[in-house]
Amino acid sequence: GAGVSQSPSNKVTEKGKDVELRCDPISGHTALYWYRQRLGQGLEFLIYFQGNSAPDKSGLPSDRFSAERTGESVSTLTIQRTQQEDSAVYLCASSLEGAGGTQYFGPGTRLLVL
Amino acid sequence: AQSVTQLDSQVPVFEEAPVELRCNYSSSVSVYLFWYVQYPNQGLQLLLKYLSGSTLVESINGFEAEFNKSQTSFHLRKPSVHISDTAEYFCAVSPLYNQGGKLIFGQGTELSVKP
Repeated sequence: GAGVSQSPSNKVTEKGKDVELRCDPISGHTALYWYRQRLGQGLEFLIYFQGNSAPDKSGLPSDRFSAERTGESVSTLTIQRTQQEDSAVYLCASSLEGAGGTQYFGPGTRLLVL
Repeated sequence: AQSVTQLDSQVPVFEEAPVELRCNYSSSVSVYLFWYVQYPNQGLQLLLKYLSGSTLVESINGFEAEFNKSQTSFHLRKPSVHISDTAEYFCAVSPLYNQGGKLIFGQGTELSVKP
């Protein structure tokens, strides 16, 4: 079956512009996660959605970052007024369950802020 | 809060040699433990995980990891590596309760298997 998909695969933007990244989770997966991987570093948790519960936004690095999810489907991560330090690969993952569940990762969106 | 330390950023080995990728974690609460792998030009995928029960867990391709609570470690081992094991390996933990399963990752270990 189809895995997690993300778009765009690559995005180059100018400092100060807004960007929107999209994630399509595996159908039926109630949990959805966003992570960021900056060059030479491990993955950092950003935000978590579980069904209709309030999202866990504890990993968002600043108020320029926000994310939405419609029900148990598509999610978008928005970065406003991008900065060069936002350059990273943004990964989305989905899971059938929360804690302990296997997370299935998408291919990522590589964001470069000039 | 939790943190994960992968002690080696790069591990070069020859084919058919044994390998150990080290992972230590710090947490004030009980955690689940994971190893994820990223093969060249592929997405991140689960290699193995420890949830409960036997502290030794195995993957389908010959890797194993042992949860050591007293040493807060979850080292990954394979007795004989193949060229195809060349990849980046990430150790991760996830709190058992109330945090939704978010993963806290180490910085990764790049395993390079040479003929």
